[in-house]
Amino acid sequence: TQLLEQSPQFLSIQEGENLTVYCNSSSVFSSLQWYRQEPGEGPVLLVTVVTGGEVKKLKRLTFQFGDARKDSSLHITAAQPGDTGLYLCAGAPKDNFNKFYFGSGTKLNVKP
Amino acid sequence: EAQVTQNPRYLITVTGKKLTVTCSQNMNHEYMSWYRQDPGLGLRQIYYSMNVEVTDKGDVPEGYKVSRKEKRNFPLILESPSPNQTSLYFCASSPYGGTGAYVNTEAFFGQGTRLTVV
Repeated sequence: TQLLEQSPQFLSIQEGENLTVYCNSSSVFSSLQWYRQEPGEGPVLLVTVVTGGEVKKLKRLTFQFGDARKDSSLHITAAQPGDTGLYLCAGAPKDNFNKFYFGSGTKLNVKP
Repeated sequence: EAQVTQNPRYLITVTGKKLTVTCSQNMNHEYMSWYRQDPGLGLRQIYYSMNVEVTDKGDVPEGYKVSRKEKRNFPLILESPSPNQTSLYFCASSPYGGTGAYVNTEAFFGQGTRLTVV
């Protein structure tokens, strides 16, 4: 079992549509991060959310950290083909904050 | 240029033949770690190191060894590789985040090593 569960696993949408990716856990996290990975490359950090209830915006991407710090979501408005990639949530649980866990990832395909 | 460098990028080897994947970072980061990425499982941490001579097991350490003799280098050693270690491997480094935390800061990843054990 994964400490961080992501859903959906796959998402194929048309350009211009909105979407939300979820990252859930039964553990409390000191912070959660979202990464994006392109084929053949390592993940690249998009954002870190630290405070429960925090909302961060990065252009068309909105990230939210749950009040209890056990879950997070990534919402993309008006998706574009350039958003295509693998989105991964990641973090260290509060009871072992030097051990890092990744979710299984959401593979997003945005069709023109 | 700030980067994490892994070598080799691709490796095909036979069962039981010892191999080392090297990882080097030029950002003076304290925290370094190794991950393996398998379809449907995301990245799973193999080992991590909080500083020189300080290493600890991640989620899937069986069959792997690491060492941290210098701050910049963190090699991954497979003493006797088996086919179930066929995977895509990533090395990453992060700066110290303060207040005892090493993982709340940005992790910089290498380009990956695709290992096939036959």
